[in-house]
Amino acid sequence: QLQLQESGPGLVKPSETLSLTCTLSGGSIRSSLYYWGWIRQPPGKGLEWIGSIHYPGSTYTYYNPSLKSRVTISVDTSKNLFSLKLSSVTAADTAVYYCARVDETFDWWGQGTLVTVSS
Amino acid sequence: QPVLTQSSSASASLGSSVKLTCTLSSGHTTYIIAWHQQQPGKAPRYLMKLGSSGSYNKESGVPDRFSGSSSGADRYLTISNLQSEDEADYYCETWDSNTQIFGGGTKLTVL
Repeated sequence: QLQLQESGPGLVKPSETLSLTCTLSGGSIRSSLYYWGWIRQPPGKGLEWIGSIHYPGSTYTYYNPSLKSRVTISVDTSKNLFSLKLSSVTAADTAVYYCARVDETFDWWGQGTLVTVSS
Repeated sequence: QPVLTQSSSASASLGSSVKLTCTLSSGHTTYIIAWHQQQPGKAPRYLMKLGSSGSYNKESGVPDRFSGSSSGADRYLTISNLQSEDEADYYCETWDSNTQIFGGGTKLTVL
């Protein structure tokens, strides 16, 4: 059974870069069938898609236009994980960050990790 | 890009039925959507994909009480025989050109 586990610092200072990883077990990041995505949810608010990556051998990335200038998503096939970097963070980036498998929709979700942006 | 509109809240009594609505924007009324459930304090859970014809494909393990239907631009999630554990936020989602779009979510209260 697929499992997705987010990990990374729970506290990031304003203007710094938020970095998270999503480690897969029970599935391969190299699958040509699936994409892999990041979604966030500010406290008390709705879901926002951040971006997705597809790695069937080459890397294809897709980002939310509203975040595109600050986001980088990448894969590490040796560790079977994919990563999120969000630069120049502000308090508005405080949220629970989820990773998920994408089969048109997000059909398998990680448990999420809270990242707070504060000095 | 499509826009998905959901009512912010809904309520229904224990054991009754409720129908939640997700409306697709003009020009995107044939899109397939997905429904996700988010119980308090938990990660979202994928429930089903739902097409414009009303056909739906439920995820394994989703109770039979959950069903989908469609009418024009509207996509519905019906929950029958409401249980206390159905109290949750429900999000619809669609996709277009490798972009994922969420509706604002409906908070369902079970009375």
